[in-house]
Amino acid sequence: GAGVSQSPRYKVAKRGQDVALRCDPISGHVSLFWYQQALGQGPEFLTYFQNEAQLDKSGLPSDRFFAERPEGSVSTLKIQRTQQEDSAVYLCASTSVGLRGGYGYTFGSGTRLTVV
Amino acid sequence: QQQVKQSPQSLIVQKGGISIINCAYENTAFDYFPWYQQFPGKGPALLIAIRPDVSEKKEGRFTISFNKSAKQFSLHIMDSQPGDSATYFCAASTGANNLFFGTGTRLTVIP
Repeated sequence: GAGVSQSPRYKVAKRGQDVALRCDPISGHVSLFWYQQALGQGPEFLTYFQNEAQLDKSGLPSDRFFAERPEGSVSTLKIQRTQQEDSAVYLCASTSVGLRGGYGYTFGSGTRLTVV
Repeated sequence: QQQVKQSPQSLIVQKGGISIINCAYENTAFDYFPWYQQFPGKGPALLIAIRPDVSEKKEGRFTISFNKSAKQFSLHIMDSQPGDSATYFCAASTGANNLFFGTGTRLTVIP
């Protein structure tokens, strides 16, 4: 597609519910990133994929967070047993560059998760 | 620990004025310094970027000034327009590292 597509745009979850957030990167983009953006803050790194391999998951805040990209294209970020502190915008970015230093990132519009 | 410190938090500028946003970093290994623009409900979009081998880069009304010895860089928006009203983020990285963002500056340009 023309850009990075994320769905859903908005998600309201009850505390304790599991959620799945989807990212469709630009076709052919090798690298895919997930970032978490709290209200009024800058995006913070969660995890990085190069093709289907998850090369870095050091930013995932707890073992309730899980990400996958099984075929090297679409990625899903799953959050189990959601907590109020998980409320944020979750951004996905992709790039054709096989480095993770921010070169050529295209971000999606994000999924705004609200845990009530 | 905030890898990149950004100021001010918010900025109000008259149309036609100059907007200046400042950032500072500590990690001397950083070699890529982009600025992102974010409108409400949208993801950040790359505006302009610089590498530390140059002290200034200009693209249209947007200029990055880079001071390697002071570990500071800034974004200047000349002839600011109401359409420039957005949140601006500085960021820094190396090729092998993730992109670290500042906390953002909300710019409002009043007509």
